[in-house]
Amino acid sequence: AQRVTQPEKLLSVFKGAPVELKCNYSYSGSPELFWYVQYSRQRLQLLLRHISRESIKGFTADLNKGETSFHLKKPFAQEEDSAMYYCALRGHNAGNMLTFGGGTRLMVKP
Amino acid sequence: DGGITQSPKYLFRKEGQNVTLSCEQNLNHDAMYWYRQDPGQGLRLIYYSQIVNDFQKGDIAEGYSVSREKKESFPLTVTSAQKNPTAFYLCASKGGSLTTDTQYFGPGTRLTVL
Repeated sequence: AQRVTQPEKLLSVFKGAPVELKCNYSYSGSPELFWYVQYSRQRLQLLLRHISRESIKGFTADLNKGETSFHLKKPFAQEEDSAMYYCALRGHNAGNMLTFGGGTRLMVKP
Repeated sequence: DGGITQSPKYLFRKEGQNVTLSCEQNLNHDAMYWYRQDPGQGLRLIYYSQIVNDFQKGDIAEGYSVSREKKESFPLTVTSAQKNPTAFYLCASKGGSLTTDTQYFGPGTRLTVL
């Protein structure tokens, strides 16, 4: 079975501070990991995926297979980063479904 | 924005009534999904369809039903058998191959049972 855990429901930081949103997963094979973001009054959208090794809006995430983690990081948080963030995993099961974590609400204070 | 739409935005239902949530996409995507979003629980998959006239149960299908008669449409019916239907419902679609996994989400429907 595949499972995604986001241990923090709420993360509050000041503008300019570093931010790390934690994501741990459980999967027996080689998964694909994603971060989705939902800004206030906007729809859920893809932020980044691990296979692309990209930086989006200053965010990066590295897949650590040894620790089964995919933490989302940004060195200097901005107020516009305040949103709900979901980590998701795609295994290689029937249907190649995404499994989402419970989400972390990031609040960046001025 | 656009491409995948859900209606209505807000829906109120009396206990014991069935209600149908609409999801339409003009992205020519084969796969469509219904999720339920509850605070602290993330998104949980209700049903999904990878092709027209075919659909599969997700993790929490009990009390729900779907149909996929057209590629563009994937309506979800919340039946009176659903014990706790008040929630935010998200529809998504995905194109490309099964291994391409950008899901595009609709704006959601908030269902409240009175």
